[in-house]
Amino acid sequence: GDSVTQMEGPVTLSEEAFLTINCTYTATGYPSLFWYVQYPGEGLQLLLKATKADDKGSNKGFEATYRKETTSFHLEKGSVQVSDSAVYFCALSHFQGAQKLVFGQGTRLTINP
Amino acid sequence: NAGVTQTPKFQVLKTGQSMTLQCAQDMNHEYMSWYRQDPGMGLRLIHYSVGAGITDQGEVPNGYNVSRSTTEDFPLRLLSAAPSQTSVYFCASSGAGTDTQYFGPGTRLTVL
Repeated sequence: GDSVTQMEGPVTLSEEAFLTINCTYTATGYPSLFWYVQYPGEGLQLLLKATKADDKGSNKGFEATYRKETTSFHLEKGSVQVSDSAVYFCALSHFQGAQKLVFGQGTRLTINP
Repeated sequence: NAGVTQTPKFQVLKTGQSMTLQCAQDMNHEYMSWYRQDPGMGLRLIHYSVGAGITDQGEVPNGYNVSRSTTEDFPLRLLSAAPSQTSVYFCASSGAGTDTQYFGPGTRLTVL
């Protein structure tokens, strides 16, 4: 079946550092790919998405490119802020409405001032 | 517009007790889902619904029941709680033709 693997955390960086969180997937066909973010004590929020190969999703300075050849969707940000501290989830779905999401295990990110 | 709401926020049960976790959305979304979040495992799908009167099982359905009598509501029932059901439960909804699921704030359940 489908699966998503993220780099293990936790990840701790200093403010203004460059961020990469690796995500690879196993799936048949061409799923849509997502990054969700969970701030402390809150539910998940969609951060960005890509629906086909070579698409780049971007939001709030974060970017991720759908790489079919390497089955990857790595999350990057050029200069992180303390407010980016959260848990980040990579996910995929084959279905309309992005239902039946398959999630990675999550990566906890802490940014120190 | 409240989005997706869940009640209660916290709940403690004893083994064998039953309860219902409530979920409601006011966005007229067709699709609704229940996930559980466990440490180191991400979120896993319990049950989902593609419309009123239609539900189906996800990855980890055992011990849970759902029904969807209206578009707005999608309650999750624990029939006989077990310690293995200690988790954080999230409800989500999405509309047809979109690629975005909206999540509720979660219910933290502890089964003793």
